[in-house]
Amino acid sequence: KNQVEQSPQSLIILEGKNCTLQCNYTVSPFSNLRWYKQDTGRGPVSLTIMTFSENTKSNGRYTATLDADTKQSSLHITASQLSDSASYICVVSPYNAGNNRKLIWGLGTSLAVNP
Amino acid sequence: EPEVTQTPSHQVTQMGQEVILRCVPISNHLYFYWYRQILGQKVEFLVSFYNNEISEKSEIFDDQFSVERPDGSNFTLKIRSTKLEDSAMYFCASSSQGFSYEQYFGPGTRLTVT
Repeated sequence: KNQVEQSPQSLIILEGKNCTLQCNYTVSPFSNLRWYKQDTGRGPVSLTIMTFSENTKSNGRYTATLDADTKQSSLHITASQLSDSASYICVVSPYNAGNNRKLIWGLGTSLAVNP
Repeated sequence: EPEVTQTPSHQVTQMGQEVILRCVPISNHLYFYWYRQILGQKVEFLVSFYNNEISEKSEIFDDQFSVERPDGSNFTLKIRSTKLEDSAMYFCASSSQGFSYEQYFGPGTRLTVT
């Protein structure tokens, strides 16, 4: 069954610190893996999108890595800011043009950055 | 920068009533989606829409749900007879190409069924 699992479920860090969020998936084959940021009560906003052949992709202070062999991805946030407080969701797009054309969503990691 | 918009931001309705949630996708996008998110749970896919027809739907999207693109800009989700368990955030998204490409999400409509 296609699944996406994230850890930790929640995380509290101090402003200025770095953190790494984890994503394990069982979707195979897959087309791409995305990380979204979702502020409370708002829609998800894309941070990175990586194909199976990419190992790393950066977007400012956000760096995502992908290991397609172990089916793991991570999102590293550098020099955290208060505005980074949000839920970070890992989403996998299956490589399937048949009847399963939908994204597989993780539950997200809730990050709180404290002053 | 173009963005997806949704109205209303919050809708309160009584059980059994019909609701219509509205979305204006990004103007040159061709693929449209509805998702929902119950508080504290995963985002769930409801339906995708392309070329004026449903291309994919989930088991959640039963006969009580329908989608429509009534004109060149709006994309609507109708729930015919709301239930308490329909209370959730509903997100509209659009993409220029198929589901595996970048999807841009609207701010959501919070539906509360009492």
